[in-house]
Amino acid sequence: DAGVIQSPRHEVTEMGQEVTLRCKPISGHNSLFWYRQTMMRGLELLIYFNNNVPIDDSGMPEDRFSAKMPNASFSTLKIQPSEPRDSAVYFCASSLEATNGNTIYFGEGSWLTVV
Amino acid sequence: QQPVQSPQAVILREGEDAVINCSSSKALYSVHWYRQKHGEAPVFLMILLKGGEQKGHDKISASFNEKKQQSSLYLTASQLSYSGTYFCGTEYSSYGNKLVFGAGTILRVKS
Repeated sequence: DAGVIQSPRHEVTEMGQEVTLRCKPISGHNSLFWYRQTMMRGLELLIYFNNNVPIDDSGMPEDRFSAKMPNASFSTLKIQPSEPRDSAVYFCASSLEATNGNTIYFGEGSWLTVV
Repeated sequence: QQPVQSPQAVILREGEDAVINCSSSKALYSVHWYRQKHGEAPVFLMILLKGGEQKGHDKISASFNEKKQQSSLYLTASQLSYSGTYFCGTEYSSYGNKLVFGAGTILRVKS
């Protein structure tokens, strides 16, 4: 079975440019998460969706960040304009919602460098 | 609220045992354990739900003490392949699927 698919795997961009990260969750999963990982802050939850609806975006750092999930099989995380401090690994993850806990499966990550 | 993991790092020789702790100041619904190798995505190890259960597979097991709001991950007879960063993730309710991760524990197993 295909896992969570993210693209691009690596992105190097100049400060001020728009960056769009893409994610395809595991088929049948109805929860999707965007995490950011840095050495300083670890794994931070940015936003998560349930049935394509944003449930909690309290982790989104500022207005430069936005995320959408237009359908059950696709999500984007956009940074506009990008800044060097946005450099990090961005993970998308998905899970099948369950009332007794759930396993979250991570994609391979998108490694973003803003210069 | 981010759970607190300890120790921050540990170095073992092959065959030695280790314990990694994860504690919360808030009542837990579940604890999830993941291992991440350098340059890779976190990989799921196990989930423990409130009720004080213990789980395990192979030589890796974990316990969940609901009263203490704490979980411990036990690695016995460590192998080189156990090296990586271990994260605990915590949920505070059965609704919402929000998983918050600790800062991680770096484990290095030497031959």
